[in-house]
Amino acid sequence: EIVLTQSPATLSLSPGERATLSCRASQSVSGSYLAWYQQKPGQAPRLLIYGPSSRATGIPDRFSGSGSGTDFTLTISRLEPEDSAVYYCQQYGGSLWTFGQGTKVEIK
Amino acid sequence: EVQLVESGGGLVQPGGSLRLSCAAYGFTVSSNHMSWVRQAPGKGLEWVSVFYSGGTTYYADSVRGRFTISRDNSKNTLFLQMNNLRTEDTSVFYCARGSPVFSWGQGTLVTVSS
Repeated sequence: EIVLTQSPATLSLSPGERATLSCRASQSVSGSYLAWYQQKPGQAPRLLIYGPSSRATGIPDRFSGSGSGTDFTLTISRLEPEDSAVYYCQQYGGSLWTFGQGTKVEIK
Repeated sequence: EVQLVESGGGLVQPGGSLRLSCAAYGFTVSSNHMSWVRQAPGKGLEWVSVFYSGGTTYYADSVRGRFTISRDNSKNTLFLQMNNLRTEDTSVFYCARGSPVFSWGQGTLVTVSS
């Protein structure tokens, strides 16, 4: 099983600042099948990024993904108040999918 | 419009069984990779099972042997049969479409408690 470790656990930033979220895998993620989701309280998750740098439909271009192998990054270039949420990385496509434990982004 | 509607959640005693359903609208279940993801109260997301469009199924270690994923093509519906439920299975269960997951249901709460 591929274990995904996200850091930091919590990120507290001001609007307009840049957020950098990390996701490290215990072994190489094949085919770069790595995705990022945003989840707000009381809501289902929403796909942001997959593959690992393609934006899902309707996702603003301030969200970007990068990385390969075992190290992946989600960047929010200019934080907006509505970006306050928990962000999860996920590896998919094989026989065992896994999620990271999440990074909570707080907007000051 | 793509829509996933889960049902079947509720309160069950430890050792009991439940069957979750996910009715799909706007697309064909059998042509898509479909999965179940759960979230315990106040916790993160946990992948449970996937039913690939080709018919292959896989399970998380925590549920293998207790849960069974299936689909009814005539009803365009995905199911999750959950047996021998444990208190730690208490979660909101989401039905999900795609790999990665492009569409999510609203979730159904399963509470395992005596």
